[in-house]
Amino acid sequence: DIVMTQSPDSLAVSLGERATINCKSSQSVLYSSNNKNYLAWYQQKPGQPPKLLIYWASTRGSGVPDRFSGSGSGTDFTLTISSLQAEDVAVYYCQQYYTAPPWTFGHGTQVEI
Amino acid sequence: EVQLEESGGGLVQPGGSLRLSCAASGFTFSDYWMHWVRQVPGKGPVWVSRINGDGGSPSYADSVKGRFTISRDNAQNTLYLQMNNLRAEDTAVYYCARANEGVITDYWGQGTLVIVSS
Repeated sequence: DIVMTQSPDSLAVSLGERATINCKSSQSVLYSSNNKNYLAWYQQKPGQPPKLLIYWASTRGSGVPDRFSGSGSGTDFTLTISSLQAEDVAVYYCQQYYTAPPWTFGHGTQVEI
Repeated sequence: EVQLEESGGGLVQPGGSLRLSCAASGFTFSDYWMHWVRQVPGKGPVWVSRINGDGGSPSYADSVKGRFTISRDNAQNTLYLQMNNLRAEDTAVYYCARANEGVITDYWGQGTLVIVSS
């Protein structure tokens, strides 16, 4: 199974500042035939289910604000929140869907103000 | 609006059984693969199972293979997870999720809590 490793475990960012979360996969999730990275990012607030933020490593989900962006390719990926808002306090997970099943998730990164 | 609502969770003894349901609305249910994902509070999500739009091609995590069965009733727009021989380590919140292009879980239900304990 592909192991997803996130860093840091938690970070505190001032309102309006940039937050950066990293995710590394144990093998490449880039499918060469279509040049797509099979990597998604989710946001989870307390008591709520995960919400899809980013898929194909850099495509924003429906209704996701443009302050959220995803980048990277192969094995190394980044989720960036360009200007942190109070409502962005949450746990963020990366997930690969390249060799699936099983789909595998990272252990999460807690973002705080 | 896409809506997914799980039900059927609860407290069950080790070795017991439960059947989870997921009622779907707001989209053409039979057009989508559907997944079950579970999460222990404070931990990351863990994928459990998947089924295609016609009710075929089920797949399972190794940890539940042989004990859990995924199925669906497209006439009722409902997804199921039959869980047998439950173990303490199956304790978690269970979510159903719609899968776009079969692999991208774009909408999730609110989850139903399963507790396996004597």
